Amino acid sequence: DIVMTQSPDSLAVSLGERATINCRSSQSVLHSSNNKNNLAWYQQKPGQPPKLLIYWASTRESGVPDRFSGSESGTDFTLTISSLQAEDVAVYYCQQYYSTPYTFGQGTKLEIK
Amino acid sequence: EVQLVESGGGLVQPGGSLRLSCAASGFTFSTYWMHWVRQAPGKGLVWVSRIDTDGTTTNYADSVKGRFTISRDNAKNTLYLQMNSLRAEDTAVYYCVGSYFYLGNWGQGTLVTVSS
Repeated sequence: DIVMTQSPDSLAVSLGERATINCRSSQSVLHSSNNKNNLAWYQQKPGQPPKLLIYWASTRESGVPDRFSGSESGTDFTLTISSLQAEDVAVYYCQQYYSTPYTFGQGTKLEIK
Repeated sequence: EVQLVESGGGLVQPGGSLRLSCAASGFTFSTYWMHWVRQAPGKGLVWVSRIDTDGTTTNYADSVKGRFTISRDNAKNTLYLQMNSLRAEDTAVYYCVGSYFYLGNWGQGTLVTVSS
C-alpha cells in the first residue's frame, strides 16, 4: 500500500498570512499514461463531508478560490493557501488515487493564530 | 446539481449486518466509478471500496475484504454496501463518493454504530 504522510499535524496561521501543508507519498503516484501525479487535496470542515480542492496535484477544482494552490516535486506535494481567511479553518487531507487501496494522509488541522 | 444521499445507517450489534444505500441524482450515474469512504469518530478518512461503471470490477480495503460487498443498480441510480460480520472498529460515518479518477462528489454520510 502507498503510505501518505502529511506535515505538520496541526498548524496555526494569522489571518492574511500564508499556510503551507506538506504531503509525501511512499512511492511514485505518477501515471505514465498522462504524466500526471494522481494526488488530490480535500478540505473538511466540522460536521461536513470532505470537499475536493485540488486534483492531478495542481489543478484547482471549479469554484475553489485561487488562494488555494497545489505543487509537486517527485513524491513531495504541497498545498498552499496564499492568504488565510477565517473560512479556511478546517482539516486538510491529501490522497493518492494511483492505485487501490486509495490512501489518505492523516490530516492537517489548520487554525487561526 | 450533483446529489448523493446515503441511507441505511444505524445501531447494530457486533456480528450483525447492515445494508447502506446511496441515491444519486444530477449526473450520469452509470458513467462514474463509485466509492465508499469511512471516517471513525474524531479520526481521518479511510477508503473502503470502489466499483466500476457497470459493476464488473470491485476493490476493497483489506480490513473489509470478505465481509463487505459493494454493488450498484444503474437503472435505479443507486449504490449499495452490504456489510456483514460487523465489528466495533467498523463504527464510522460512511460516505458515498463519485469519481472519474479523484473523489470529486461526496454525500453527507450515514453513521454506522456497532455496539452491544
